[in-house]
Amino acid sequence: DTGVSQNPRHKITKRGQNVTFRCDPISEHNRLYWYRQTLGQGPEFLTYFQNEAQLEKSRLLSDRFSAERPKGSFSTLEIQRTEQGDSAMYLCASSRTSGGGTDTQYFGPGTRLTVL
Amino acid sequence: QQQVKQSPQSLIVQKGGISIINCAYENTAFDYFPWYQQFPGKGPALLIAIRPDVSEKKEGRFTISFNKSAKQFSLHIMDSQPGDSATYFCAASGSGTYKYIFGTGTRLKVLA
Repeated sequence: DTGVSQNPRHKITKRGQNVTFRCDPISEHNRLYWYRQTLGQGPEFLTYFQNEAQLEKSRLLSDRFSAERPKGSFSTLEIQRTEQGDSAMYLCASSRTSGGGTDTQYFGPGTRLTVL
Repeated sequence: QQQVKQSPQSLIVQKGGISIINCAYENTAFDYFPWYQQFPGKGPALLIAIRPDVSEKKEGRFTISFNKSAKQFSLHIMDSQPGDSATYFCAASGSGTYKYIFGTGTRLKVLA
């Protein structure tokens, strides 16, 4: 396994611009998760996919946020009309269905977004 | 009811000492409790995890103690080393969802 990869690692944008992040999960992991982490806090759940289906979305995921996972492989998270409050680390994790109970999630290095 | 409360917020331990971090939860439907280690600018890395059918799990210098009746679990780091200096997060999951609910983190500093 090469681990979860995320690109870009850093993104600086101006308020009002759109940004898109990509996550490549560990191969054969069917579940993929997005979290947001602000400084000094634990990661907060945004959304998750099982294969290509988006099964759960947090209330944190406003209308400006959209996530996709075409063909059940990589995923993208897009933020439209960015606001300064969107500045955070965006983490992606993946897991493989274990057949019972909750899976172990493996995290990527994150994409740090700074909105000026 | 979905919160996981973590303490202390920060911890300073001498090299070779024992670091203890505590977490408490409310939702009795949670069935998976992992601990993650995070270094600055990096993603969280899984350390050790436990399910409620056991009261303790040990992996190397890391031990999770789980008290189901008290709805508490803790991480013990034995023989703490300066390289263990990082932020540690507990998490909980279950109750019909696969998302993790994270604690607020404990910043550990191990003095050489």
